[in-house]
This record gives sequence, C-alpha cells and structure tokens, in this order.
Amino acid sequence: AQSVTQLDSHVSVSEGTPVLLRCNYSSSYSPSLFWYVQHPNKGLQLLLKYTSAATLVKGINGFEAEFKKSETSFHLTKPSAHMSDAAEYFCVVSDPNTGKLIFGQGTTLQVKP
Amino acid sequence: DTGVSQDPRHKITKRGQNVTFRCDPISEHNRLYWYRQTLGQGPEFLTYFQNEAQLEKSRLLSDRFSAERPKGSFSTLEIQRTEQGDSAMYLCASSRIRDPASNEQFFGPGTRLTVL
Repeated sequence: AQSVTQLDSHVSVSEGTPVLLRCNYSSSYSPSLFWYVQHPNKGLQLLLKYTSAATLVKGINGFEAEFKKSETSFHLTKPSAHMSDAAEYFCVVSDPNTGKLIFGQGTTLQVKP
Repeated sequence: DTGVSQDPRHKITKRGQNVTFRCDPISEHNRLYWYRQTLGQGPEFLTYFQNEAQLEKSRLLSDRFSAERPKGSFSTLEIQRTEQGDSAMYLCASSRIRDPASNEQFFGPGTRLTVL
C-alpha cells in the first residue's frame, strides 16, 4: 500500500523568506510523487512531479522538491515566499497500475507581509 | 478553454434527495477519476474509468453512489438518498493512459455539495 504523510498541517513564513513543506512517503514500488497546490475557490494545480528521473525536480513558480530514497522524503521548497503562495499544498503518490492519486492531509501555507 | 469542466459548481439539497453531477474531461484523455474532498482533508479517490469502463471503485463509494461514462466521454456521478455526511467537494480529473503512474491528472473546479 502506498501513502504519504505531510508532517506539518500549517506553516507560516514571512514574505521573502524560504519555504519548506515536508512530506514522507511509503511505497512498495518506485514511487511517482507529486505536489499539488489548491488556492481558495480554485481547482488543484500541479506544481511538480517526480517520476524516477532527476532527484531534484523543478516546478512552477520557483518551487522545487528533492526525492530522497534513503529518507523516504519528498520535501517542497522555495527560496523566497511571495504573498500569492498562500494556499493549501498536497503531497501525492500515484498507484502505478491505475494512476489513482493518494493525497496527504495537506499543509496550509500562510505568508505574512 | 479546453480544461476539465464540472457542472454544477454548487448544489444544495435536502437530505433524502437524489443529486447528479457531470464532468467533461479534456477531450483526448482516456482516463477519468472522481475524488471527494471534505473540509480540511485531502481528496480521496472514489472511482475511475478507462474509456467507458469503470475499473475500480473505492469502498467509500456506497451503493447509494453510481457513476457512468457512456461512450467514454463525459461522466456523471449520482448520489441517491443523500445524507448530511455526503456534504463535500466532488472533484473530477482526467489523464492519458500512456503511463498511469506518471501521468499528470488535470482537475476540474469541483462541485460543492451541501446536504441540509
């Protein structure tokens, strides 16, 4: 069975400071991992995905994530937070046979001016 | 716009009523997924279709729920005899078959259901 655990339900940063959202995964297979973002009253948007190519994955809006097999982690980072980054972030693993997505509980990112 | 669309965006109903939601996927996408998201939680898988065939249903999908995808195009999700616990956001997503594990799923805006 596959699962993801987001280690923080809420993260608060000041604008211009780094962002770190933590995610650990559990998978019997070589996993495909994703980060999705959900802004209020908007649909889910893919930030980035890892599919066994480069371990450091770059996404949209300056976000990136590093796949660490030894730590079973896939943390999301951004060097400098912007007010528009305030949203709900989901770490996700996909089932290799069906493609269905298994979501973490989500991390709410608050960005203070 | 050629993204995933869902209709209606909001639905308020009384307990015991039936409701039906529609999802129109991206036209060339073979797979269509339904998820449910309750307040403060991540989306949970309900069911998925490959073309017109429904290939998997979650145990979350009780016998009051039924989904169809006639002709492999749009899909409908019906809930019969709604209960207050059915109140949630219902999300639809689509993707190509090519590589199920790495395919990006494109999500619609969702249908928010409130059962009074």
